[in-house]
Amino acid sequence: RKEVEQDPGPFNVPEGATVAFNCTYSNSASQSFFWYRQDCRKEPKLLMSVYSSGNEDGRFTAQLNRASQYISLLIRDSKLSDSATYLCVVNQAGTALIFGKGTTLSVSS
Amino acid sequence: DVKVTQSSRYLVKRTGEKVFLECVQDMDHENMFWYRQDPGLGLRLIYFSYDVKMKEKGDIPEGYSVSREKKERFSLILESASTNQTSMYLCASSWTGDHEQYFGPGTRLTVT
Repeated sequence: RKEVEQDPGPFNVPEGATVAFNCTYSNSASQSFFWYRQDCRKEPKLLMSVYSSGNEDGRFTAQLNRASQYISLLIRDSKLSDSATYLCVVNQAGTALIFGKGTTLSVSS
Repeated sequence: DVKVTQSSRYLVKRTGEKVFLECVQDMDHENMFWYRQDPGLGLRLIYFSYDVKMKEKGDIPEGYSVSREKKERFSLILESASTNQTSMYLCASSWTGDHEQYFGPGTRLTVT
């Protein structure tokens, strides 16, 4: 099983900032891509799926570049409540997901 | 709302004890998973099951076994707990064909 790699951070940004997280995956056969969010001492929860054409959900934009095997998450106008760990997740085939180790974001006032 | 529950939030066991971690989901999901999460190592898949009585090894199955006798329940068993199994254990479930996994709150296991 190949890896999913993320910059662990932490990213420390002020409220209102734009911040981008990157992720690379090593298996070109990967089929589905996601960003999960994990708050401190809580379980991971799905933030958004990542589609080849790119997709947006409010202040969050996800991009996928299959040729470079690269996934990104952009957060605009950061809020204090965005402070969390963001997990890049890949599905290669079948049921199991492969989780990156996560990137920690801290938004301060 | 999907609900995944785990039998304990915190558990302290002694080396050599047999440990049972229980997970129950109420959404009739076919797939269930056990992960452990450690600082610097992220989430690692121990075992998963895509049907009753079916199980598949994940990335780190050594020292663990699982049981799925009913669709809603997936148990993780540590046959003889060791200190290196001190970790946060997370259970998750999903529908077949849908990769969104719903996680339980986790069990923090300490083996002394």
